[in-house]
Amino acid sequence: EAGVAQSPRYKIIEKRQSVAFWCNPISGHATLYWYQQILGQGPKLLIQFQNNGVVDDSQLPKDRFSAERLKGVDSTLKIQPAKLEDSAVYLCASSYIRQVGPNEAFFGQGTRLTVV
Amino acid sequence: GEDVEQSLFLSVREGDSSVINCTYTDSSSTYLYWYKQEPGAGLQLLTYIFSNMDMKQDQRLTVLLNKKDKHLSLRIADTQTGDSAIYFCADLSGGYNKLIFGAGTRLAVHP
Repeated sequence: EAGVAQSPRYKIIEKRQSVAFWCNPISGHATLYWYQQILGQGPKLLIQFQNNGVVDDSQLPKDRFSAERLKGVDSTLKIQPAKLEDSAVYLCASSYIRQVGPNEAFFGQGTRLTVV
Repeated sequence: GEDVEQSLFLSVREGDSSVINCTYTDSSSTYLYWYKQEPGAGLQLLTYIFSNMDMKQDQRLTVLLNKKDKHLSLRIADTQTGDSAIYFCADLSGGYNKLIFGAGTRLAVHP
């Protein structure tokens, strides 16, 4: 079974520029998560999709961050314009929806963003 | 809102047991997880426990859950240098399976 694919692996941009990250979840996984992990901290949930609908985006800075999941499969996360404090690893994860069971989330390798 | 807290650092001698602790605030948690993150790698699920269980054992790993105190712990028996990593506690709750992580505990294993 292929894992969660993310691209690019690394990105360096100047502040005020725009950037986009792409995620391809595991086939059949209805739930998709985007997390931001700043160095030395735990992953912070930015947005959660169930199929192609948003179920939680309470921690997404909506003035600069946006995300979409077209057709309930791939997802993109965009930052426009970027700030220095956006430097972090952006992790994508996906899981099944089970009524019973642990609903394990599988993580991609992440995209390391550096804003200079 | 939901919150998960962990101590940030633990140092143990090789062969000893490690105990990593976590507290959470959400009363509607269904599952609690332990994830492992090695340098430059993604998050890997180590083990999990259902919220109506007190204990789960999986080879060298023992998870204890005190639901009354909202306290979770992970015990690693016979800790090896390969266990050096950051360990994250995570809480799954809500109708949409919201997954919230703690800040992580860095485990250092020395000879």
